[in-house]
Amino acid sequence: AQSVAQPEDQVNVAEGNPLTVKCTYSVSGNPYLFWYVQYPNRGLQFLLKYITGDNLVKGSYGFEAEFNKSQTSFHLKKPSALVSDSALYFCAVRAGRSNDYKLSFGAGTTVTVRA
Amino acid sequence: EAGVAQSPRYKIIEKRQSVAFWCNPISGHATLYWYQQILGQGPKLLIQFQNNGVVDDSQLPKDRFSAERLKGVDSTLKIQPAKLEDSAVYLCASSLRSWIAGGYSTDTQYFGPGTRLTVL
Repeated sequence: AQSVAQPEDQVNVAEGNPLTVKCTYSVSGNPYLFWYVQYPNRGLQFLLKYITGDNLVKGSYGFEAEFNKSQTSFHLKKPSALVSDSALYFCAVRAGRSNDYKLSFGAGTTVTVRA
Repeated sequence: EAGVAQSPRYKIIEKRQSVAFWCNPISGHATLYWYQQILGQGPKLLIQFQNNGVVDDSQLPKDRFSAERLKGVDSTLKIQPAKLEDSAVYLCASSLRSWIAGGYSTDTQYFGPGTRLTVL
């Protein structure tokens, strides 16, 4: 069975500082990994995904994530956080090239960026 | 490009009543998903459609939940009768395809705004 862990319920950073949201996963075979962001009373918005290739993936709004196979991690990063980045972030995984195509989500990490 | 549309946005009902949610996916997207997101948790897949056929409904509580996508476009999710534990946000998502030659596709799922259901 596949699963995602987001070890931090909350991350607080000052505006202009680097932002990191952690994600580790467990899956059989090669993973497909995704990050979504959810603003209050809104649906999930896609940020980026890793399927194959370069371990550093760049996405929307200046976010990037690094796939680390040995540590089974896919941490989301932003070099300089904005107040508008305050939201709920979800990491998700599915098993690549298999019949288990369901997307499994973590419990989410609430990011607060203070001015 | 218009996104995934859902209605209603909010619904409050008494337990044992029935409720229905509607979803219109992104134009041209063959695959449609319904998720349940309980407060403090990530979304959990309830059912997945490819066109008007069910791909996976293994996590759908079929004694009370039903879903259909009759013409391969819009979809309706129904709960009858509702229980207190059904209080959640119901998210609809769509993607271009479920599978391609050689395996399941990696197409991104795009989500609607959700319907927040409160069962009293």
